[in-house]
Amino acid sequence: QVRLVESGGGLVKPGGSLRLSCVASGFTFSDFYMTWIRQAPGKGLEWLSYIGRSGGSISYADSVKGRFTISRDNAANSVYLQMSSLRVEDTAMYYCARVQLWSGDFWGQGIPVTVSS
Amino acid sequence: SYELTQPLSLSVAPGQTVTIICEGNNIANKNVHWYQQKSGQAPVLVFSTKSSHSSVIAERFSVSESGDTATLSISKAQVGDEADYYCQVWDSGTLVFGPGTKVTVL
Repeated sequence: QVRLVESGGGLVKPGGSLRLSCVASGFTFSDFYMTWIRQAPGKGLEWLSYIGRSGGSISYADSVKGRFTISRDNAANSVYLQMSSLRVEDTAMYYCARVQLWSGDFWGQGIPVTVSS
Repeated sequence: SYELTQPLSLSVAPGQTVTIICEGNNIANKNVHWYQQKSGQAPVLVFSTKSSHSSVIAERFSVSESGDTATLSISKAQVGDEADYYCQVWDSGTLVFGPGTKVTVL
């Protein structure tokens, strides 16, 4: 079955950096786009970024453009989100999801990120 | 940028039908995806309007769209249907989510 497991979250000070990882299993990873989505406490879903099958197609939301970098390693069945210049408002649960027909058809359980001094 | 609107909350009595509206410019021309998120859990894709995807829970769920409105209806509502429901589309290289609708069954 499809499984996505995020890691790398935690507490970081404003201005700091963090790298999230998402390991996939149960499907041919290189056949799918992957995406990151976050949810601030008590708020709705916010799309952040997606990456194409070979890493050649990438898009970012304006809120993270220039601060976050998405990448993938198909040999490791993994997608990453490098986050830098973190702000208090980046505090959220971060989800990776598989992209199918421009939806997130399977999601990980999420990893919390807290940006606080 | 493309925007989606949804009602903040809806309530429904057990056994009745609740309809969640998602509004966006010419949304009927897009593939609209609906997610269910129960408290403390990750979202689950429950329906896509223009693809064959429907989750195992979708037999009581139905979708429709016309013009600027897409809807997700839940028939014979159960307490287990209590959740936040989000609509989502793809537009101009981005994924766009609606603000979500909290459905209460009481």
